Amino acid sequence: DIQLTQSPSFLSASVGDRVTITCRASQGISSYLAWYQQKPGKAPKLLIYAASTLQSGVPSRFSGSGSGTEFTLTISSLQPEDFATYYCQQLNSYPPTFGQGTKVEIK
Amino acid sequence: EVQLVESGGGVVQPGGSLRLSCAASGFTFDDYAMHWVRQAPGKGLEWVSLINWDGSSTYYADSVKGRFTISRDNSKNSLYLQINSLRGEDTALYYCGKDIATTQELGMDYWGQGTLVTVSS
Repeated sequence: DIQLTQSPSFLSASVGDRVTITCRASQGISSYLAWYQQKPGKAPKLLIYAASTLQSGVPSRFSGSGSGTEFTLTISSLQPEDFATYYCQQLNSYPPTFGQGTKVEIK
Repeated sequence: EVQLVESGGGVVQPGGSLRLSCAASGFTFDDYAMHWVRQAPGKGLEWVSLINWDGSSTYYADSVKGRFTISRDNSKNSLYLQINSLRGEDTALYYCGKDIATTQELGMDYWGQGTLVTVSS
């Protein structure tokens, strides 16, 4: 199975900060990577798919990049509603594993 | 409006069984692969199973292989997960999710609200 490692696992940031989360795959996954945002008590929300394609309705401050084994999710200017947990998921091969999550909290 | 509504969760003893259902509406159900994903209390997301558009291909996480069976009834716009030989570590909120793409899995663009399975004696 492909392992995904997110870093950091926890991030403390302020409104307006630029935030970058990294997801590393244990083997190459081309561009078959998705990013999700989850808030407490809610289902996850798709932000990015195919590594860099912004899902419809998602603010443009979110962006994704990378291919192969290293990927990043960037929030250009953190907003109050962005404090949440973020997960990456690879869909290159079965099983489509998730990373362990990155919790973004208010500094 | 796309809607996914899970049902069938509950409290079950170790070794017991449950059948989870996911009723879909607002999209052409038989165009898309469907996923089950679970989340144990206070933990991260764990992908559980996937079924392709016509049910001819199914995939499972190693942790559930041989105990869980995914299926779908396209005539009823419904997805199912039969879960047998339940263990304590299966306690979780189970979500169904619709894949965004029709030809290759790329991620889940719609999720249900989840149904809670609790394994306890």
